[in-house]
Amino acid sequence: AQSVTQLDSQVPVFEEAPVELRCNYSSSVSVYLFWYVQYPNQGLQLLLKYLSGSTLVKGINGFEAEFNKSQTSFHLRKPSVHISDTAEYFCASSYSGNTPLVFGKGTRLSVIA
Amino acid sequence: KAGVTQTPRYLIKTRGQQVTLSCSPISGHRSVSWYQQTPGQGLQFLFEYFSETQRNKGNFPGRFSGRQFSNSRSEMNVSTLELGDSALYLCASSFSARTTGELFFGEGSRLTVL
Repeated sequence: AQSVTQLDSQVPVFEEAPVELRCNYSSSVSVYLFWYVQYPNQGLQLLLKYLSGSTLVKGINGFEAEFNKSQTSFHLRKPSVHISDTAEYFCASSYSGNTPLVFGKGTRLSVIA
Repeated sequence: KAGVTQTPRYLIKTRGQQVTLSCSPISGHRSVSWYQQTPGQGLQFLFEYFSETQRNKGNFPGRFSGRQFSNSRSEMNVSTLELGDSALYLCASSFSARTTGELFFGEGSRLTVL
């Protein structure tokens, strides 16, 4: 069965420091991968997605992620975080675009001033 | 362009009651998905509708049901509520049935079962 594992439930980081949020997915011939962000009391918003092509994907708000097929990973990175990046981040996958999105359990990013 | 609208935003029910939640997708979107979000289980898929047809269903008991109307608005119903049904219920819409595009989420309906 399709599954997504987010290795860290909470990540504290100082403002202007780099951050990496880790995500591993269950292997598939054709997998689509997504990162969503949820700010307090709001719904989820798409940060970026990988469907095919370049393994380095750039998203909104300065985030990027790298698709690594051999390690079945799709880690999210930002070189310098801001207080406003404090939120919960969800990694998600879909097989061939025909199955519902399966989400990881989320990583709570706390940016410390 | 108006976003996904979910009503009610907050509600409190007691065990054994039933509840109906509503979702109005973005204009022009024909696919609506529902997710249950809890601190312990994260986001779990409930069901997906496209053009009034249920396309996929998650692993939830039959007490959970849904439907989609001709104007793409969707409702979900939970009967015989249990304490464990307390959660944030999120609705998401998209233009097509294929999940290669972006899902647009509403702010959710927070259900508390006492």
